[in-house]
Amino acid sequence: SYVLTQPPSVSVAPGQTARITCGGNNIGSRSVHWYQQKPGQAPVLVVYDDSDRPSGIPERFSGSNSGNTATLTISRVEAGDEADYYCQVWDTSSDHRVFGGGTKLTVL
Amino acid sequence: EVQLLESGGGLVQAGGSLRLSCAASGFTFSSYAMTWVRQAPGKGLEWISGINGGGDSTYYADPVKGRFTISRDNSKNTLYLQMNSLRAEDTAVYYCAKTTGLRYFDYWGQGTLVTVSS
Repeated sequence: SYVLTQPPSVSVAPGQTARITCGGNNIGSRSVHWYQQKPGQAPVLVVYDDSDRPSGIPERFSGSNSGNTATLTISRVEAGDEADYYCQVWDTSSDHRVFGGGTKLTVL
Repeated sequence: EVQLLESGGGLVQAGGSLRLSCAASGFTFSSYAMTWVRQAPGKGLEWISGINGGGDSTYYADPVKGRFTISRDNSKNTLYLQMNSLRAEDTAVYYCAKTTGLRYFDYWGQGTLVTVSS
């Protein structure tokens, strides 16, 4: 089955840019979606179809996808962005939806 | 406003059964696929099952295939997950999620905790 690989943790100072990667075989040919989950809360969709943002999600959140790596970029990071972030794709070969293992973003 | 409210979680012995429900409101329920995602304590998100808007196509992750059954009642705007032959490793918070284009999950419920004791 299709595997998505994320770094377990990323740390960034407030005001800087955080980049969270999601690796997969030829992931650039798939649509990638990103979710934010804060402790004790349900996940929230922050980017869909590689780079689109749902209404209400700040423009600071952006996404890209090419080759074997998709990236969620958070600009001008704030303390409130501290959370776990998950990438997700639809593996059409198995009809399974797949999540990455998640990345804990720490704001220093 | 889209709202999803899960219920039916609780403590069950290994080998037992539970049925989860997810009551939906704020959107045309029958027009959207729905999904169940679970999260074991301290672990990541795991997709377990999906169903299309009409209820005639269903999808299961390998760990639950043959034990769990997803269904929906569009007249009641409710999604279900029948869980049989439960195992300790099924212990998790179970979320239902509105699914767009069968691809991504744009709204989530708050989750219901299922604990399977061995």
